[in-house]
Amino acid sequence: DAGVIQSPRHEVTEMGQEVTLRCKPISGHNSLFWYRQTMMRGLELLIYFNNNVPIDDSGMPEDRFSAKMPNASFSTLKIQPSEPRDSAVYFCASSRRTGMNTEAFFGQGTRLTVV
Amino acid sequence: RKEVEQDPGPFNVPEGATVAFNCTYSNSASQSFFWYRQDCRKEPKLLMSVYSSGNEDGRFTAQLNRASQYISLLIRDSKLSDSATYLCVVIPGTGGFKTIFGAGTRLFVKA
Repeated sequence: DAGVIQSPRHEVTEMGQEVTLRCKPISGHNSLFWYRQTMMRGLELLIYFNNNVPIDDSGMPEDRFSAKMPNASFSTLKIQPSEPRDSAVYFCASSRRTGMNTEAFFGQGTRLTVV
Repeated sequence: RKEVEQDPGPFNVPEGATVAFNCTYSNSASQSFFWYRQDCRKEPKLLMSVYSSGNEDGRFTAQLNRASQYISLLIRDSKLSDSATYLCVVIPGTGGFKTIFGAGTRLFVKA
C-alpha cells in the first residue's frame, strides 16, 4: 500500500486566497483525521470522519476552515480566505476501526505558508 | 486544561543514559493510549501501544497509571538515533475514535 497520500507537499499563497489540501487515506481505513501542527500549539486535531461522516469538528478554528469527505478514498481541507496565522503543517491520518487499539497512519503533511 | 499534557522539554541526555517522559490526560474514561515518535520535519509514527499491565519493546517501556491518569515512556541505553519528539496519544473512548495528541517532548541524545 502507498500509505496516506497528501497533496500538495508545499503550498505558498497570499493572504485572502483560497487553499485546498487533499488527502487519500489508506484503502480499507474508515477513520480519517485532519491535524494542524505548529511550534507553538503542537499537533491539534481539527476534524475527524468515520465512514466518510464528520464526527467531531470542534477543533476547526473558524468558519474559514471546512472539510469534506465525499467518498472513502478522498478528503479535502479548505481554508477560505487564508490568513498568515494559518501557516502550519497540515497532516492527514487514517486508521482502521478494529477495536480501541487502532494505529493512525500519517501522510507526509502539507507545509502551508500564507504571506 | 488540555486533554493531553506533556512536558515539552527539551531533554538533553548523553548516549547510554536512561530517560523517562510522563504524560497526563484529563478524561478518566479514556480507553487507549500510545506513544508516537516524530522526527524533524517528518510525520508522526507509532512507537508503541500502552497496555494496562505495562509493556516493553526492547529498550522502551511504557506504563499506564489509571488512578493518576498518566502514562510514561522509559528509554534505556539511549542512542543518538533516539533523538526525536515523542508524542503521547489518547483515545478518549467517547465520541468514536477521536485521537488526541499531546504537544510532544523533544529528546536530544548527545555523543
